[in-house]
Amino acid sequence: EPEVTQTPSHQVTQMGQEVILRCVPISNHLYFYWYRQILGQKVEFLVSFYNNEISEKSEIFDDQFSVERPDGSNFTLKIRSTKLEDSAMYFCATMRKTSGYYNEQFFGPGTRLTVL
Amino acid sequence: QKEVEQNSGPLSVPEGAIASLNCTYSDRVSQSFFWYRQYSGKSPELIMSIYSNGDKEDGRFTAQLNKASQYVSLLIRDSQPSDSATYLCAVKSESGAGSYQLTFGKGTKLSVIP
Repeated sequence: EPEVTQTPSHQVTQMGQEVILRCVPISNHLYFYWYRQILGQKVEFLVSFYNNEISEKSEIFDDQFSVERPDGSNFTLKIRSTKLEDSAMYFCATMRKTSGYYNEQFFGPGTRLTVL
Repeated sequence: QKEVEQNSGPLSVPEGAIASLNCTYSDRVSQSFFWYRQYSGKSPELIMSIYSNGDKEDGRFTAQLNKASQYVSLLIRDSQPSDSATYLCAVKSESGAGSYQLTFGKGTKLSVIP
């Protein structure tokens, strides 16, 4: 069964450094999302991406964050200058386009980001 | 701001019993609701979706929706130790162009005791 994959599984970085988290969507999926979950907290929506542009973003997704699909396969989340409070599990989710009402977001396994 | 509230638990039930998980949401216009299961350190996994008032059954799981009371629940019959996980309630918000975002509750931790 096709799965969303994410790399790396764990990223440790120093405060102020740039990080790029990568996601490989399921092949026929056209909608892409990033969520994050701070340890012990709820899963929070960051951004949605469709047709090579951001569809919607949350208040969390400020100028330090960016997303792109550089090569038509990977979907990346970049944090320009990491802060301690960016430490969290970051989940990529993808969804195929359907004409029906019922469509599911499939979550990847996540990247644990630790900012020191 | 849309809010989704869940009792964080832990909820402990003996093996074979019915586990009842509850969720309330603040946005009265919300139409679609999801229950996800999340094992420790893992990603959310969809169990069920529900869109209409009433009950929806899938195997040992039954989701219940009451839009007037803004209340969603999940019943797990014949609970198994493998059901021990955190159960996340999520509400769908349409984003346009066929997309949507999910607003999650904090989750209820379920422990099934053998």
